[in-house]
Amino acid sequence: GENVEQHPSTLSVQEGDSAVIKCTYSDSASNYFPWYKQELGKRPQLIIDIRSNVGEKKDQRIAVTLNKTAKHFSLHITETQPEDSAVYFCAAINSWGNTPLVFGKGTRLSVIA
Amino acid sequence: EPEVTQTPSHQVTQMGQEVILRCVPISNHLYFYWYRQILGQKVEFLVSFYNNEISEKSEIFDDQFSVERPDGSNFTLKIRSTKLEDSAMYFCATDYRGTGELFFGEGSRLTVL
Repeated sequence: GENVEQHPSTLSVQEGDSAVIKCTYSDSASNYFPWYKQELGKRPQLIIDIRSNVGEKKDQRIAVTLNKTAKHFSLHITETQPEDSAVYFCAAINSWGNTPLVFGKGTRLSVIA
Repeated sequence: EPEVTQTPSHQVTQMGQEVILRCVPISNHLYFYWYRQILGQKVEFLVSFYNNEISEKSEIFDDQFSVERPDGSNFTLKIRSTKLEDSAMYFCATDYRGTGELFFGEGSRLTVL
């Protein structure tokens, strides 16, 4: 089955700096890669996603890149703000297979004002 | 915006007791999931459900767990005889087409004493 590795487990940045979180996946058939933000005690919320036919996607201050050959994808947050502080999870799935969405272990991002 | 709703938000139970967690999926979604998150850890897949039957389950989903959709609306997770290690946040998630675009409920926090 799919295995998703996520790094780093914790990340501290100064407000205004950029943050990058990286994930690798094992199943070359995976074709959908969402990123979730989870605030303390809350549910995971989808913030951006990318499909395997696209190499990069951007939504305001957040962007995701995908390298299918290397089987890794990354989340980039620019101009970080204190409200970006949360745990971020990457995930992967073969949306055409009968397999579940598999999550990475999460990255705790702290944005220091 | 339609939401996945879960009840109860928090349940405290004694070890060995049965627990039922309930979820009301988004009305036109066809794929239903239960995920578990032990405090501070990643979101782990338990089971997926489609067309009134289990489509996949993880190693965590042993004989103590069961799911059903008794009345066409609620989607329930039952734990027959709870153990201390079942203490976690349980998230229901639904998906319109089974492509991995999950919508999570707010979660049910289970505390087993």
